[in-house]
Amino acid sequence: GQSLEQPSEVTAVEGAIVQINCTYQTSGFYGLSWYQQHDGGAPTFLSYNALDGLEETGRFSSFLSRSDSYGYLLLQELQMKDSASYFCAVLSGGYNKLIFGAGTRLAVHP
Amino acid sequence: GAGVSQSPSNKVTEKGKDVELRCDPISGHTALYWYRQRLGQGLEFLIYFQGNSAPDKSGLPSDRFSAERTGESVSTLTIQRTQQEDSAVYLCASTLTLGGTDTQYFGPGTRLTVL
Repeated sequence: GQSLEQPSEVTAVEGAIVQINCTYQTSGFYGLSWYQQHDGGAPTFLSYNALDGLEETGRFSSFLSRSDSYGYLLLQELQMKDSASYFCAVLSGGYNKLIFGAGTRLAVHP
Repeated sequence: GAGVSQSPSNKVTEKGKDVELRCDPISGHTALYWYRQRLGQGLEFLIYFQGNSAPDKSGLPSDRFSAERTGESVSTLTIQRTQQEDSAVYLCASTLTLGGTDTQYFGPGTRLTVL
């Protein structure tokens, strides 16, 4: 089967750093994506890793280890507006088929 | 338009009725995807279109679900004889090209409630 595992909830304070892990088991793998979704909103793209290593985009970084079937999203200098659900998703097919994890709900407190 | 749009934003229907959900992708985007998101859960892939062709319908939950697309434009997802378990947010996404790693741009979704 195909599955992605990520923590259901994470809590942190403003200004802190938080890491959201994702492990995956899929029949095909092209890369790992991260999406952010605020309550009632549409998922929005954050990052994509096709190769091992760290990708940095402003306050957000994403890491991938293909040999470990593992990745993480690192959020630095947390702000209240970062409170949202974060989904890891495996790009599983040659036509951008995304398989999503169940999501991690991040709550940022003052 | 500037982004992916979906209509209606909310739909409440009675069990057994048919519903039709609409998606307008970003102009010029070749590929279009439908997902379902149950409350508090991740997104389930339903179907994708390349142009008006749907090579992968593997995610459609049952034969009550069908979808079509007109060229590289509007797509409709139809659910016949709705059931309470169909209650969810139905999200549509589009990408500029098929294949590769193009970012999927999501619409705001249609929240379907089956009473």
